[in-house]
Amino acid sequence: DAKTTQPTSMDCAEGRAANLPCNHSTISGNEYVYWYRQIHSQGPQYIIHGLKNNETNEMASLIITEDRKSSTLILPHATLRDTAVYYCIVELTNTGNQFYFGTGTSLTVIP
Amino acid sequence: DVKVTQSSRYLVKRTGEKVFLECVQDMDHENMFWYRQDPGLGLRLIYFSYDVKMKEKGDIPEGYSVSREKKERFSLILESASTNQTSMYLCASSFFGGAEKLFFGSGTQLSVL
Repeated sequence: DAKTTQPTSMDCAEGRAANLPCNHSTISGNEYVYWYRQIHSQGPQYIIHGLKNNETNEMASLIITEDRKSSTLILPHATLRDTAVYYCIVELTNTGNQFYFGTGTSLTVIP
Repeated sequence: DVKVTQSSRYLVKRTGEKVFLECVQDMDHENMFWYRQDPGLGLRLIYFSYDVKMKEKGDIPEGYSVSREKKERFSLILESASTNQTSMYLCASSFFGGAEKLFFGSGTQLSVL
């Protein structure tokens, strides 16, 4: 199974860019990289996903390395409301969509 | 607005009781999932279903079963609740196929005494 590795925790100053890394060295060619975040006491929320190319939406940017073995989620101007646990997951496509979450990165945005 | 609804936000049960956790989605999604979340362990997949009456085991199916009689509803069953099943339970759904995102419910905090 493709799994991901993320740092346990990170801090970021308010207004600065938050760069959250993820390693997925066993990813296969048809698997997407997804990012979700979970604010305390809520269900996880989708942020962004990508296959090969870099992606950007209103919430964040996703940079995937050329060999696809790692990626970085970028929150361009972090706010206090971005304090959350961020999950990087890889979609397995053998049976439906199986989303396997790890323990994620706990991001704290500091005023 | 898309919605995944879990029947209870908080639930307290006694050891040995049969417990039903209900999840309903209104998006006509094929896939539905049950996760549990414990401090330090992240989200762990219990069971998932990609069609009515279909089910597949996730990482930690022991002590649980599921039922999917209708497309919109996915139930998690604890046949005989134990204290180690005290946890936050999260339901999610998605369309079938590649690159489909998950929509989560708000979760059920289950305490087994």
